[in-house]
Amino acid sequence: GAGVSQSPSNKVTEKGKDVELRCDPISGHTALYWYRQSLGQGLEFLIYFQGNSAPDKSGLPSDRFSAERTGGSVSTLTIQRTQQEDSAVYLCASSFDGNSPLHFGNGTRLTVT
Amino acid sequence: EDQVTQSPEALRLQEGESSSLNCSYTVSGLRGLFWYRQDPGKGPEFLFTLYSAGEEKEKERLKATLTKKESFLHITAPKPEDSATYLCAVPQGGSEKLVFGKGTKLTVNP
Repeated sequence: GAGVSQSPSNKVTEKGKDVELRCDPISGHTALYWYRQSLGQGLEFLIYFQGNSAPDKSGLPSDRFSAERTGGSVSTLTIQRTQQEDSAVYLCASSFDGNSPLHFGNGTRLTVT
Repeated sequence: EDQVTQSPEALRLQEGESSSLNCSYTVSGLRGLFWYRQDPGKGPEFLFTLYSAGEEKEKERLKATLTKKESFLHITAPKPEDSATYLCAVPQGGSEKLVFGKGTKLTVNP
């Protein structure tokens, strides 16, 4: 069985450009999470989806960040007008029902130059 | 505010030298405590879930225990392949959001 898949694995972009990060969760998992991990820091919660709706967007750092999920499956995290402080590893995780353990992908390493 | 604090931040052991990692938490109405292992360049990998004080879970050289205020991850006779960052997390009260500690980076020298 495939795990959580994230693409791209690495992304280098110039300051001010928009980027899209993709997450393919484990089939059948209804809950999907995005976290951010900066060098030497812990995992910072960004957003949580149950199905296609996002009951908790409290972690999105600014209105430059948005996310959507379609068909209860694939999710896209979009960062507009990227800034250098956006450089981090963006991790996606899925869970069977939101109460079960999270299964993480290997992340997208974003570098803003 | 719900918080998760892990100690020590880093731990170096010799192969075979047993030790424990600590995770203390403040959350109202604990709905589980999760332990993860993270290798460099990888996402966290699930290890254990503990739900109630007194509960213990084991996997190979790892044993996790839970009290009302903290959890311990005991490592018995570690091997170099146990080197990783170990993370603990709890659901924030009233939500499905997992709050993570900053982790303990374990290095086991041969």
